[in-house]
Amino acid sequence: ETGVTQTPRHLVMGMTNKKSLKCEQHLGHNAMYWYKQSAKKPLELMFVYSLEERVENNSVPSRFSPECPNSSHLFLHLHTLQPEDSALYLCASSQEQWGHNEQFFGPGTRLTVL
Amino acid sequence: GEDVEQSLFLSVREGDSSVINCTYTDSSSTYLYWYKQEPGAGLQLLTYIFSNMDMKQDQRLTVLLNKKDKHLSLRIADTQTGDSAIYFCAESQLGDYKLSFGAGTTVTVRA
Repeated sequence: ETGVTQTPRHLVMGMTNKKSLKCEQHLGHNAMYWYKQSAKKPLELMFVYSLEERVENNSVPSRFSPECPNSSHLFLHLHTLQPEDSALYLCASSQEQWGHNEQFFGPGTRLTVL
Repeated sequence: GEDVEQSLFLSVREGDSSVINCTYTDSSSTYLYWYKQEPGAGLQLLTYIFSNMDMKQDQRLTVLLNKKDKHLSLRIADTQTGDSAIYFCAESQLGDYKLSFGAGTTVTVRA
């Protein structure tokens, strides 16, 4: 496996379900990110982890819970979601150096909340 | 996205050049990036430019940076149908983990 992988690629869940999205990076990077991409809206940064510590939480509802057990893995735990949470969830990783923050993205998980 | 702006749509004929424009507000930006997103996929880095450069060329791609006007452009020469995608510009700053993305420009290549 190379680059940034995400599983599952597609997920359909009801509002009462609990599910988790998984992201794995094989690039040796020290930062990982969750983004939400909704139709006709700009890319929204949700969470940033640097060296496994959360450094940014952009006012994301508590029904989204991130977890970063090590520098290669990032999870997004989902519970009691709303239909408006349906979107493409993108994971990215980077190795920030002297202002150069090239982020490598996974293919995303297409989430549909019924 | 509020610090980085792009036009939303561009239609171009196959074989012509495409020019996608982007403006940003933060003068302390260090690097500026162009990403491409094809349908159903994540974002793929196309190219980037350091803020003290004016131009960077990479095969069919030419990036121009006007730091005084805070204007960035991406020119795609000989546009092909495979270039149809959403293009995002983004900027980073020293010591910041975030990238600030524009809303994306949807490029449609017509035959």
